[in-house]
Amino acid sequence: EAQVTQNPRYLITVTGKKLTVTCSQNMNHEYMSWYRQDPGLGLRQIYYSMNVEVTDKGDVPEGYKVSRKEKRNFPLILESPSPNQTSLYFCASSRGLAGITDTQYFGPGTRLTVL
Amino acid sequence: QKEVEQDPGPLSVPEGAIVSLNCTYSNSAFQYFMWYRQYSRKGPELLMYTYSSGNKEDGRFTAQVDKSSKYISLFIRDSQPSDSATYLCAKGAQKLVFGQGTRLTINP
Repeated sequence: EAQVTQNPRYLITVTGKKLTVTCSQNMNHEYMSWYRQDPGLGLRQIYYSMNVEVTDKGDVPEGYKVSRKEKRNFPLILESPSPNQTSLYFCASSRGLAGITDTQYFGPGTRLTVL
Repeated sequence: QKEVEQDPGPLSVPEGAIVSLNCTYSNSAFQYFMWYRQYSRKGPELLMYTYSSGNKEDGRFTAQVDKSSKYISLFIRDSQPSDSATYLCAKGAQKLVFGQGTRLTINP
């Protein structure tokens, strides 16, 4: 089954404790992206990757890091989480440009709370 | 000013009505315009995309881009309760910018 998986699905942590949210896709997609979704602000892109070792900043990259060492994986790293990073996070992938030429598949979401 | 502005609603209409959802955007460099639908507790799914001005139709859905006024619209004909969701407009290519999303409810 074609899918994007994220782990963990729910996480409560404390300020400053480094964490990683994993994202994996099994569709051999080139494009992968991370978003955060907050009430009243909609969906905002954090980072995206056009292929292995190719990453670029989205709209709100501050406080986040990503890596793309393998095509299937695109982890999101919060080196020193802060309460303003409490949000719902989505990972997505597509074969073409951001789902334009091909459907962008979204993961189930990770709800992160930083105390 | 945000690059993409969207009225968050909520919008509630009776079944069968024509729904009009709108966004305005700034920074009109080369890009695509998209509409996503998001059901509660799910990730967004791409509905339609357009490039440049004009209309694009897919079943009951029509996407319209007016580059002169920097307006993006989505029309839903013969709306159904199953269309109840949050609709997000977006622009871009590799880098995407989304509107805030409009919560739509279709009442039976």
